[in-house]
Amino acid sequence: GAGVSQSPRYKVAKRGQDVALRCDPISGHVSLFWYQQALGQGPEFLTYFQNEAQLDKSGLPSDRFFAERPEGSVSTLKIQRTQQEDSAVYLCASSSTRSVGYIKETQYFGPGTRLLVL
Amino acid sequence: AQKVTQAQTEISVVEKEDVTLDCVYETRDTTYYLFWYKQPPSGELVFLIRRNSFDEQNEISGRYSWNFQKSTSSFNFTITASQVVDSAVYFCALSETGGSQGNLIFGKGTKLSVKP
Repeated sequence: GAGVSQSPRYKVAKRGQDVALRCDPISGHVSLFWYQQALGQGPEFLTYFQNEAQLDKSGLPSDRFFAERPEGSVSTLKIQRTQQEDSAVYLCASSSTRSVGYIKETQYFGPGTRLLVL
Repeated sequence: AQKVTQAQTEISVVEKEDVTLDCVYETRDTTYYLFWYKQPPSGELVFLIRRNSFDEQNEISGRYSWNFQKSTSSFNFTITASQVVDSAVYFCALSETGGSQGNLIFGKGTKLSVKP
């Protein structure tokens, strides 16, 4: 079946603009994660959804970052008033089950959105 | 505190050489999961393997093998008879279970270049 898809693949924004990044998880996947990957670094956790509930947003770097998953499938990561330090690849991942307790299922990643803020 | 260290930033080998990528982790959890992902130039993270902390059995999948040693908190990855297509950045990652939602903690990655 189809994997995780993300759009757009590339986004150039002027400093101060708002951007919206979309993630389509694997069909039926309950858990959805967003990560930020700076150049030359490993991905870093931003936020986690279980169905439509945002259970963990501890990784969001500022209140300019906002994520939603209103119907428990597609998710959008919005960045308001973008700054140059927001330039990074934003990765979305999904997994098949609830991420609770001792069972941590494998996360499958999308191709990412490369954001460049000028 | 939880942490994953991949001390090798870049490795360059010639095709058909064997290469080992090191991964050392830190966690206070007694139950946790370890992963390896491959990131080719296209950017997508490709899942390679998942191990839980109770299963120290080493695993082999074709040219790939993994050596998990709890005593040294290491989860090393070996590619046998490397090929040019193996060129990528490889990430080791940790997922804790106690109080965590399962988010992955990644190392900084090791860039592997395999030359013909």
